[in-house]
Amino acid sequence: DTGVSQDPRHKITKRGQNVTFRCDPISEHNRLYWYRQTLGQGPEFLTYFQNEAQLEKSRLLSDRFSAERPKGSFSTLEIQRTEQGDSAMYLCASSPRHRGGDIQYFGAGTRLSVL
Amino acid sequence: DQQVKQNSPSLSVQEGRISILNCDYTNSMFDYFLWYKKYPAEGPTFLISISSIKDKNEDGRFTVFLNKSAKHLSLHIVPSQPGDSAVYFCAASVISNFGNEKLTFGTGTRLTIIP
Repeated sequence: DTGVSQDPRHKITKRGQNVTFRCDPISEHNRLYWYRQTLGQGPEFLTYFQNEAQLEKSRLLSDRFSAERPKGSFSTLEIQRTEQGDSAMYLCASSPRHRGGDIQYFGAGTRLSVL
Repeated sequence: DQQVKQNSPSLSVQEGRISILNCDYTNSMFDYFLWYKKYPAEGPTFLISISSIKDKNEDGRFTVFLNKSAKHLSLHIVPSQPGDSAVYFCAASVISNFGNEKLTFGTGTRLTIIP
C-alpha cells in the first residue's frame, strides 16, 4: 500500500473560480479526515467521514465548501467561488477503525494558491 | 482558543545530544496524544502516541512523557540525528469507539540538529 494519496499537489486559481481536490485513503481505512493548514499554524480539522457518511463539519467549513466520499472510498473536497483567504495546504488523513486511539495517516497535501 | 500549545517555535540541538520538545494542553477531555513530524512538501508523519492511562511510552530513540496533572507532555529524542531536523507537531484527541477522533494540533516546533 502506498499510503494516502492526494491530487493535485499544487493548484493555482483565480479568485471566484471553483476548485476540487481528491483524496485516496489507505485501502480499508474507513475513517477519513480533511484538515487545513496555513502558514505558521498546525493543521485544523475541517470534516470527517465514517465510510460514506459525513458525520461532522467544523465551523471553519463555510457553505462554499463541500466534501463527499461516495462508496466510502476516495473523497473530494470542493471549494466554490474561491477567496484569497482559502489559500492554504489542504491535508487528507485516513485511519482504520479500532479501539484505543486513532492514528491518522496523512497525505502530502494539496497546496492551494488563490490569486 | 489554542487548546494545544507548543510555546517554542524553534529548537537547535547538537547531533548526539538529547532533544526535548514540549507541549501543553488546556482541554481536560483529551485522552490521547500524538506526535507528528513534518518535512517540507510532505504531510505529517506519525511518530509516537500515548494514552492518558500511561505516563510514558517509548519507541526506539523516541520517548513521550505525559503529566496529566500539569496538562503537559514532552517528546525526547536520544540521540539526536541530522535526519531528525523537521517540524514537530503535538496533537490531541478524545478517544471514541463510534466516531470522530479529530486531532487538535499545536503550532509546531522546528527542530534543527547541528552536525
